[in-house]
Amino acid sequence: DAKTTQPPSMDCAEGRAANLPCNHSTISGNEYVYWYRQIHSQGPQYIIHGLKNNETNEMASLIITEDRKSSTLILPHATLRDTAVYYCIVRVRSGGGADGLTFGKGTHLIIQP
Amino acid sequence: KAGVTQTPRYLIKTRGQQVTLSCSPISGHRSVSWYQQTPGQGLQFLFEYFSETQRNKGNFPGRFSGRQFSNSRSEMNVSTLELGDSALYLCASSRDRGRQLYTEAFFGQGTRLTVV
Repeated sequence: DAKTTQPPSMDCAEGRAANLPCNHSTISGNEYVYWYRQIHSQGPQYIIHGLKNNETNEMASLIITEDRKSSTLILPHATLRDTAVYYCIVRVRSGGGADGLTFGKGTHLIIQP
Repeated sequence: KAGVTQTPRYLIKTRGQQVTLSCSPISGHRSVSWYQQTPGQGLQFLFEYFSETQRNKGNFPGRFSGRQFSNSRSEMNVSTLELGDSALYLCASSRDRGRQLYTEAFFGQGTRLTVV
């Protein structure tokens, strides 16, 4: 699986959009980009995933560059409850969603009141 | 709909003992994966079970083992506990719609194991 690079921490004001970047310059054509987050003392939570098109769901939007070497997770209106460690994961799609996920160190997003 | 349930939530064991952790997946989910989380190494994949068979395995010693029952519930066992096994052990379940289809994974709250 391709390696990802994320900033270790970021701040964002409550109510503003939080934009979390992820670099995955060695991504292969059949690898997807997944985002999970982990709120303190809880298990990771799936957010969104995509291949090459931009994706949106009720939690967030995922913007993937045309060359697929980087992506941005957007939380449109951040709240204090969005304070968490966000993980960007790149992997080949396979059965069993949690099978062999490689979590890096992630980005610690802190939402400021 | 009940989430992934892990028991116990907290556990203290002595070095050299063995421990068994339990995971009940979401109803209808047949894939169960286990992860270890420590401050130093972060989240690391242990193994995945599907239909009572281990389908994938991470890079952990043989002291770490698991199994899955016919109702998809899973247990993991750690024998001869070491101080370094102190960690949060997380279980995740997913529906699994086939080898080429991703399904969302749901994680439990974890079992915090302390080895003294």
